[in-house]
Amino acid sequence: EAQVTQNPRYLITVTGKKLTVTCSQNMNHEYMSWYRQDPGLGLRQIYYSMNVEVTDKGDVPEGYKVSRKEKRNFPLILESPSPNQTSLYFCASRLQGASGELFFGEGSRLTVL
Amino acid sequence: GEDVEQSLFLSVREGDSSVINCTYTDSSSTYLYWYKQEPGAGLQLLTYIFSNMDMKQDQRLTVLLNKKDKHLSLRIADTQTGDSAIYFCAESMVNYGQNFVFGPGTRLSVLP
Repeated sequence: EAQVTQNPRYLITVTGKKLTVTCSQNMNHEYMSWYRQDPGLGLRQIYYSMNVEVTDKGDVPEGYKVSRKEKRNFPLILESPSPNQTSLYFCASRLQGASGELFFGEGSRLTVL
Repeated sequence: GEDVEQSLFLSVREGDSSVINCTYTDSSSTYLYWYKQEPGAGLQLLTYIFSNMDMKQDQRLTVLLNKKDKHLSLRIADTQTGDSAIYFCAESMVNYGQNFVFGPGTRLSVLP
């Protein structure tokens, strides 16, 4: 089954404790992206990647890192999480090309105390 | 980045039509999309329209595109309680390497 898989789905952590949210897709998609969703703000893009070893900042990259060493994986790293990073995070992927549908993972709800 | 704007809330009665509006800013956008997010779930593609089209119909859904005004709308006919969700407008932007930009989402509430 074609899917985007995120882990963990839920996480409560404390300020400053490094964490990684993994994202994996099995559709051989070139493009992958991370978003955060906050009430009233919709989806804001954190980072995106057009292909392996190519990453770019989105609208809200501060406090996050990403890497794209393999096509299928695009982990989101919070080196020193802070409470303002408490949010619902979505990973998404698509084929390159204008009409490619963006496929979303089920979301990872992160709480930073 | 470019902005996509939507009103945040819409309430309709079951059986009525719903119209969700969106404005976007990038005239080079090639495709415009509507995504639906049900409670506790990720986003799923509802429909999309190519920028050289004015209208697209798919069962109860009608998408209208006014490229001159950069205005996109989604009409849901005979709205049902199962249509209650958040609806996101998005554009795929040529000038940003086909990157997606989403609006803030419109929360549709369907009242019995």
